[in-house]
Amino acid sequence: GDSVTQMEGPVTLSEEAFLTINCTYTATGYPSLFWYVQYPGEGLQLLLKATKADDKGSNKGFEATYRKETTSFHLEKGSVQVSDSAVYFCALRSSARQLTFGSGTQLTVLP
Amino acid sequence: DTEVTQTPKHLVMGMTNKKSLKCEQHMGHRAMYWYKQKAKKPPELMFVYSYEKLSINESVPSRFSPECPNSSLLNLHLHALQPEDSALYLCASSQESMNYGYTFGSGTRLTVV
Repeated sequence: GDSVTQMEGPVTLSEEAFLTINCTYTATGYPSLFWYVQYPGEGLQLLLKATKADDKGSNKGFEATYRKETTSFHLEKGSVQVSDSAVYFCALRSSARQLTFGSGTQLTVLP
Repeated sequence: DTEVTQTPKHLVMGMTNKKSLKCEQHMGHRAMYWYKQKAKKPPELMFVYSYEKLSINESVPSRFSPECPNSSLLNLHLHALQPEDSALYLCASSQESMNYGYTFGSGTRLTVV
């Protein structure tokens, strides 16, 4: 079945540091890939997506590239801010149509 | 309108109470979902409605009863819950195509006492 593996958290960075959160997946066919963000006390917000190999999703300074050869979709940001502190979930949606989530990565950014 | 609206935002209920959670979307999405989320964990799928019909029930206990009155509304009826059912309950909706993600509501924080 489909699965998503995220790097273990929590991750703590200083403001303006570079962020990478690793995500790899297993799926049949060619899934669409997503990153969601969840701020404290809130629901999940779609951060970015990519629907085919080599696509790059980007939003709010975050980027992720769909790498079919390594089955990866790593999230990156060049300079994090305190306001980026949240839980980040990698997810995929395949022909089975349901969203499959990774375990989530807690990010804390210190001023 | 690009939102999923959930009410109430917070709910405290006793183990003998009956309550309902409500979810509404006006994006024309024909798939709607209920999720349960515990702290620091990913959401767990409970139910899927497709074109107003229940298509997936992830072996959820019968004390949770979903209802889809029309294509814009989704309810979750709660009865005789246990303290371990305390969690954040999220509603989501989506288009059928796998190229689209789900749109989530902000959730109902449920506490069972």
